[in-house]
Amino acid sequence: DGGITQSPKYLFRKEGQNVTLSCEQNLNHDAMYWYRQDPGQGLRLIYYSQIVNDFQKGDIAEGYSVSREKKESFPLTVTSAQKNPTAFYLCASSTLTGRNTEAFFGQGTRLTVV
Amino acid sequence: AQRVTQPEKLLSVFKGAPVELKCNYSYSGSPELFWYVQYSRQRLQLLLRHISRESIKGFTADLNKGETSFHLKKPFAQEEDSAMYYCALSTNRDDKIIFGKGTRLHILP
Repeated sequence: DGGITQSPKYLFRKEGQNVTLSCEQNLNHDAMYWYRQDPGQGLRLIYYSQIVNDFQKGDIAEGYSVSREKKESFPLTVTSAQKNPTAFYLCASSTLTGRNTEAFFGQGTRLTVV
Repeated sequence: AQRVTQPEKLLSVFKGAPVELKCNYSYSGSPELFWYVQYSRQRLQLLLRHISRESIKGFTADLNKGETSFHLKKPFAQEEDSAMYYCALSTNRDDKIIFGKGTRLHILP
């Protein structure tokens, strides 16, 4: 089954702990993205990557970190510096970085920090 | 800065009535506009893109550069159209994809 996979679906963490969300794609896409989806806020861009070993901050990068060591993988770490980490996180990928091409989305990870 | 504005959080329309979901954008370059849809318990997925000038599931959207708008329209709403709709803009300058806050479309029987 090809596509983009996020794991886990649900994640619980204690306040003050870092947590890493997984995103893997087997679509051979160059670009990958992380968004945060909150009620009434839509999708807000956290980080994006156009190529392996390179990534750029989105609009709400503070408190998050990413890596892109492999084309297929773009993990997101939610650090203890993120003031309001409880949210629904969506990962996406596309062939060329937004140039009129479709972005494919994962099913999301719901992170709850207690 | 790039921005996508969807002024309506919720739009309720009777079945068979016309639908228009509004989207305005702010971008100094040449924009690429999209509509994405999220049905209940499904992934966010592409509905249509402006460059294709296509009609998908009866929906169309025309890019109006003068009004910086990309409104989504359908002449006759169907119950299966109930979903969350997001307008999105992508930029060649820095390769971002920016989304609006979304509009929930509720089709009334």
